Amino acid sequence: DGGITQSPKYLFRKEGQNVTLSCEQNLNHDAMYWYRQDPGQGLRLIYYSQIVNDFQKGDIAEGYSVSREKKESFPLTVTSAQKNPTAFYLCANSPPGLRGNQPQHFGDGTRLSIL
Amino acid sequence: GENVEQHPSTLSVQEGDSAVIKCTYSDSASNYFPWYKQELGKRPQLIIDIRSNVGEKKDQRIAVTLNKTAKHFSLHITETQPEDSAVYFCAASLSGGYNKLIFGAGTRLAVHP
Repeated sequence: DGGITQSPKYLFRKEGQNVTLSCEQNLNHDAMYWYRQDPGQGLRLIYYSQIVNDFQKGDIAEGYSVSREKKESFPLTVTSAQKNPTAFYLCANSPPGLRGNQPQHFGDGTRLSIL
Repeated sequence: GENVEQHPSTLSVQEGDSAVIKCTYSDSASNYFPWYKQELGKRPQLIIDIRSNVGEKKDQRIAVTLNKTAKHFSLHITETQPEDSAVYFCAASLSGGYNKLIFGAGTRLAVHP
């Protein structure tokens, strides 16, 4: 358990609207990640952050934005530029350690749908 | 780009049988390989992982093997039970820092009583 809380559990977006998904952690881990999961598919990386005030684009960053103003918080905004936002969004963190050797632990996810 | 291929995409077994899921990775610098289990509508949960300095790791009914030369790793579940039914994802670490993972597309395992 990575001590991650995602909210809300379900979210609906109207056309042309921006929505923000919350991700909070209570384990003081530096690294945090956002993934998108479509039905029957694996996880694709949207954004990731190693430290406060720093974040990097993942494989599918277009139409999304993030911020990392506090270590415990890594919110994801799905902008109106994301034309197909319906998906299950998962936030994860990982503890410090040797590079490439630490597990990621996931929150319970937010399911986003278009109205 | 780097990728992880996972097979099969679906697997159906009888309770008590063994199940094997195989993954192949492309990044020769990958050195960490976790496996996740995801039940319907829930978050992926880490079930076992292996690092590149180890060839095999076992935890009760679950084992993972790694062949670095061939760049593939496998999940083995013995004495399967209906509660093992879920989607299983393999993943491999990527070079370049940040502890990034790349995931396979998943295997839907159904264990029939």
